[in-house]
Amino acid sequence: DAGVIQSPRHEVTEMGQEVTLRCKPISGHNSLFWYRQTMMRGLELLIYFNNNVPIDDSGMPEDRFSAKMPNASFSTLKIQPSEPRDSAVYFCASRYRIQETQYFGPGTRLLVL
Amino acid sequence: GENVEQHPSTLSVQEGDSAVIKCTYSDSASNYFPWYKQELGKRPQLIIDIRSNVGEKKDQRIAVTLNKTAKHFSLHITETQPEDSAVYFCAAIISNFGNEKLTFGTGTRLTIIP
Repeated sequence: DAGVIQSPRHEVTEMGQEVTLRCKPISGHNSLFWYRQTMMRGLELLIYFNNNVPIDDSGMPEDRFSAKMPNASFSTLKIQPSEPRDSAVYFCASRYRIQETQYFGPGTRLLVL
Repeated sequence: GENVEQHPSTLSVQEGDSAVIKCTYSDSASNYFPWYKQELGKRPQLIIDIRSNVGEKKDQRIAVTLNKTAKHFSLHITETQPEDSAVYFCAAIISNFGNEKLTFGTGTRLTIIP
């Protein structure tokens, strides 16, 4: 298994631009999670999906952030417009529903100038 | 919601010595406690986990203990090696249908001194 796949691995953009992060979960996994990691705030859960349905988005910082999961093998996290304070590493993780272990992707390192 | 506290935030030990990292949780309904290791610039990776019906679990040099009464759990690394240097995160979850969020501790930066 290739594990959780994220793209791009690195993104540098200017303030105000739209950023789209992509994730492909492990095949057969029913749950998908988006996290943000910074030195100041640690590892924060932004949103998670069960069977492609958003269950809890209380961690999404504001309306500039949106996430979709159109099918079981793909999810996106979009930031529009981006701001310098959005700079962080964004991780996607997936999990088979009846087990609790989450497997993380390699992350996307985002820098907003 | 669940709250997980982790101590210490940094830990330095001599190679070959043991390291212990401790976490406490607030919700007595939590029943699954994983530990993740994150090396610099890499993803968090599960190293060991324990469920609430077990008091201790070992995997080679790594062990985790759980005290449900006190609501705390600990990671023990024996015979530490330089490759153990990383940030370690504990986490807790109430694993039932409808609530599947892991709550992470703030992390412990472990440095092994050669």
